[in-house]
Order: sequence, then C-alpha cells, then structure tokens
Amino acid sequence: DTGVSQNPRHKITKRGQNVTFRCDPISEHNRLYWYRQTLGQGPEFLTYFQNEAQLEKSRLLSDRFSAERPKGSFSTLEIQRTEQGDSAMYLCASSFNPRDSTFNEQFFGPGTRLTVL
Amino acid sequence: RKEVEQDPGPFNVPEGATVAFNCTYSNSASQSFFWYRQDCRKEPKLLMSVYSSGNEDGRFTAQLNRASQYISLLIRDSKLSDSATYLCVVVSGNTGKLIFGQGTTLQVKP
Repeated sequence: DTGVSQNPRHKITKRGQNVTFRCDPISEHNRLYWYRQTLGQGPEFLTYFQNEAQLEKSRLLSDRFSAERPKGSFSTLEIQRTEQGDSAMYLCASSFNPRDSTFNEQFFGPGTRLTVL
Repeated sequence: RKEVEQDPGPFNVPEGATVAFNCTYSNSASQSFFWYRQDCRKEPKLLMSVYSSGNEDGRFTAQLNRASQYISLLIRDSKLSDSATYLCVVVSGNTGKLIFGQGTTLQVKP
C-alpha cells in the first residue's frame, strides 16, 4: 500500500493522559498536513510541514499539542494532558509541491480516532 | 462567520434524480477550489476541481462564481453509490492548507 498511513487507527484514553499519533506520508511528498475533524463538521487545519520545517500552526493548536517531522518523512502529533474536547478524528494528508506551485492534491490517511473518557 | 459555508442537509433523493449543492466562501482572494467526497467514517477524497469556466466529469459538474463567491456541484442521474458527504474546499494562501465547509450529506434512495 503506497498511500498515507496513520497509527493507531483508534485510541481510547483517560482525561489527563498523553497520546501520540504517527503519520507516514506518501514517499517523497514534501508537504504534510494535520487536520482535526469532529462529528458533523468538516476537517479543520491544525499544522503543516514543508519537509522537516513546521511552517504554520493553527490557533486551534493549544500548547498541549506538538507536532514533529524530524527527518522530513513521518510525522508525530502529541497531545499532552488530554481533555474530553480533544475527542475527534485526527487526519494526516500529504502532497508533493514543486517550488513554484501553491497547490497539488492532498492525499489523506485513514485517520486516528481519539476518544477521551 | 465561517470561511466556507455549506447547507449540511441531509438531501434525500431518489435514484436518477438531479441534485445540486452550493457553497459560499468569505475570502475574495482565494484562488483554488475543490469538492471532496467523504464516505461514512472514511477519509476525504478529491472529487473534482472547480473553475470559473466550469468543470464536468461524467455526471458531475462543478462551477465557480467569483463575483458572488459561490461554488456549486451538480450531480445528474444520482446513483445509490453517490450517497456520501460532499465537502466544499477552498485553498488558503500559499501554504496549500485546505479550508473545508461543514459538508453536505446526500442520501440516494432506491
């Protein structure tokens, strides 16, 4: 399977615990995005990387959230001290963007569904 | 006001019907527009791009009206397999980040 993969697919945790999600983008895609989707809503942008550099973070991303893409390949999203309001589907997407382009199709992974009890 | 607004529906239509979805966006500087399809508990997938000149792909037609900041999607001869949520998407700035509408749910019934 050469698509975007995400692990775990499901995570149930208790309030106050830390969780970490992983995203493996399509090989050689230089951009990687994280989105969050709650029930009945469209996905909302959280952050994005161009190679290993994190270039933008949404105001939705509180101090409890941190994302990394250390070698410009896979990425991790960590949530510290989880709250019930963090329950959502966390989607990762990747794309290949040559230097002079602003948009190429983003391919989404299957998502990680987080439930905070 | 949300950056991208859609009527969430649901739209319940019989097989063979023609159905239209609309969407408005607030940022007049937006340059790229798309429709994504999302099946229940699955990830969004690109359905088609939207251009001012219109874009047709089989039974699907997408249209952009820049003056009114309005995007539409028309589905002709609806199939049961068209049942899904249709997400209106605007690309923001140079980052390529996607701004999604709430989504419009379509249920095609036999």
